[in-house]
Order: sequence, then C-alpha cells, then structure tokens
Amino acid sequence: EDKVVQSPLSLVVHEGDTVTLNCSYEVTNFRSLLWYKQEKKAPTFLFMLTSSGIEKKSGRLSSILDKKELFSILNITATQTGDSAIYLCAVYSGGGADGLTFGKGTHLIIQP
Amino acid sequence: NAGVTQTPKFRILKIGQSMTLQCTQDMNHNYMYWYRQDPGMGLKLIYYSVGAGITDKGEVPNGYNVSRSTTEDFPLRLELAAPSQTSVYFCASSYSGTVVHGETQYFGPGTRLLVL
Repeated sequence: EDKVVQSPLSLVVHEGDTVTLNCSYEVTNFRSLLWYKQEKKAPTFLFMLTSSGIEKKSGRLSSILDKKELFSILNITATQTGDSAIYLCAVYSGGGADGLTFGKGTHLIIQP
Repeated sequence: NAGVTQTPKFRILKIGQSMTLQCTQDMNHNYMYWYRQDPGMGLKLIYYSVGAGITDKGEVPNGYNVSRSTTEDFPLRLELAAPSQTSVYFCASSYSGTVVHGETQYFGPGTRLLVL
C-alpha cells in the first residue's frame, strides 16, 4: 500500500520566519510528487516534482525532491499571515486507482 | 469556465438516510474522482472514473456508489448514511489520468457532510 507521511503535523511560527515542511513516501511505482495548499476550501496546486535535485520555485516558496531518500521538502521564506494553511503532499504512482495518495498535511499557522 | 462545481455545500443527514452529492465539470475532462477528507487526515480516494460509463473503486469505497452517465457529471451516492461518513467530500477532475507536465487534478469547493 502506498504511504505518504508528512511532518510536522502542525507548526506555529512568527511572521518573517522561514519554515521547512517535510514529506516522505513509500510507493511501489513513483511517478511524481505534488504539493498543495489548502486554506478554507479545496486544495490548490503548488508544485509537481518528478526529478531529484531540481528545485522548483515560486516567489517565496520552493520545493525539492530526493528520490534516493524518498522525501521532499517545501520551504517558505519570509512567511506572511496569508501563508497560514494546511500544506498537503501527494504522490502519484500511476497505479490502478489513477488517483493521488495524500499525506495527512501540515497545519501551518503564521502569527503576526 | 466554472471548473468543478459541487452541490450542496453543506448537509446534515440522519443515520440511515440517503443522499447524492453532485459534481459537475465543464472542462471536458475524462477523469473524475471523489475524495473524502476527515479531520487531521489526508484526502482518501473513494471512487474514480476514467470516462463516461466507466467507474472503479478507490481506497475507501464501502458505503458509497457512483455513476458516470455523461462526461460532465459524476454523482456520489450514500445509501444508508452512517456517522463514520461525516467528512468533507471533494470532487476532482483531470484531462488524463497521468500527472505529468504540470497537469494536475482540479478540485471542487467541497461538500461538508454531517451524519447524526
């Protein structure tokens, strides 16, 4: 059974801090890893990673994948209160379910 | 494009009642999915469909049924609601089942269901 584990499950930091969110996985046929941000409603797509060592960057957010060690990190620098959300990691294995296996998420709270 | 729409936004059911959660997409996507999200948990796949007339079970299908008579619609049916089905339900769609080149799943806004 495919498994995705995120840590920490919750994190409280002050505005301006830098945070690193972790995602490790065990899947039988890894194809890609995705990061989503979920505020009050549905998840919104952030990044998709397929190759090791290549950083994806969007503004203050960046992410990288290590396929040898089976994990990914999501970094957020100079955090703002608008970054408060649940960050979901998901792995696509291209298996019969044709869906994504999601981790439990990291609940990030940015205090002013 | 409205994207993926879901109705209702919120519903309270009594144990044993039935209901259908509606999901519609206007992007001509072949693949559609139903997930449930419990507090403190990730999304779990209930059912998915690779095209009109074709559906298959996901990770947690028990207690649910789906149909896909058209490309646009993918309703989820709860026949005998149980408290364990209290959750937030998300419908999603994608053009193909292969997540490549930034192609990802588009999510609806969710339906919050409470079974008492």
